[in-house]
Amino acid sequence: KNEVEQSPQNLTAQEGEFITINCSYSVGISALHWLQQHPGGGIVSLFMLSSGKKKHGRLIATINIQEKHSSLHITASHPRDSAVYICAAHEITGNQFYFGTGTSLTVIP
Amino acid sequence: NAGVTQTPKFRVLKTGQSMTLLCAQDMNHEYMYWYRQDPGMGLRLIHYSVGEGTTAKGEVPDGYNVSRLKKQNFLLGLESAAPSQTSVYFCASSYRTSWETQYFGPGTRLLVL
Repeated sequence: KNEVEQSPQNLTAQEGEFITINCSYSVGISALHWLQQHPGGGIVSLFMLSSGKKKHGRLIATINIQEKHSSLHITASHPRDSAVYICAAHEITGNQFYFGTGTSLTVIP
Repeated sequence: NAGVTQTPKFRVLKTGQSMTLLCAQDMNHEYMYWYRQDPGMGLRLIHYSVGEGTTAKGEVPDGYNVSRLKKQNFLLGLESAAPSQTSVYFCASSYRTSWETQYFGPGTRLLVL
């Protein structure tokens, strides 16, 4: 069973395009995280959400708790945004995250 | 601050050999985690620790052992390596709770022949 589903799996965009990555989860959560994994393998945390919307530079993350859905938006995409974006849901009843399989984004100049 | 570091970066083992992966953090974090990442699968939790001297099993603990003798270090051991343990291993830490931001190490690539 997959507690966290992401779509699309792969995404190619032209520089400057608006990008949306979707995440659906099936568990009750205390927090929803978006992570970025660079081509070299390093993983960094982008956002932590429990409600509403957060913005950092060109990145925007939203969450709808009732629908168990979150989106990550990238405005004015740039080749340096090329990476794998991972959604992770922290289950409310324990100490565990459930991770999506990631969305591989390639931004072409 | 170095953040979260992992040793070694890459290792090749033969089936049946043992090894220990070291994770160290200098942020005074209480929680530490070991994950494995395999192609086509999300990160999966192997073991975690909520503080010095404590450890707990995650989603895929079989074949691994851990120890947290010092707050800053979290060791992952493979007693008898199997090809199914070929993976990239990530260590992570978080400050006081499991749901807050996790800080990841650079990863250890392990190949078991």
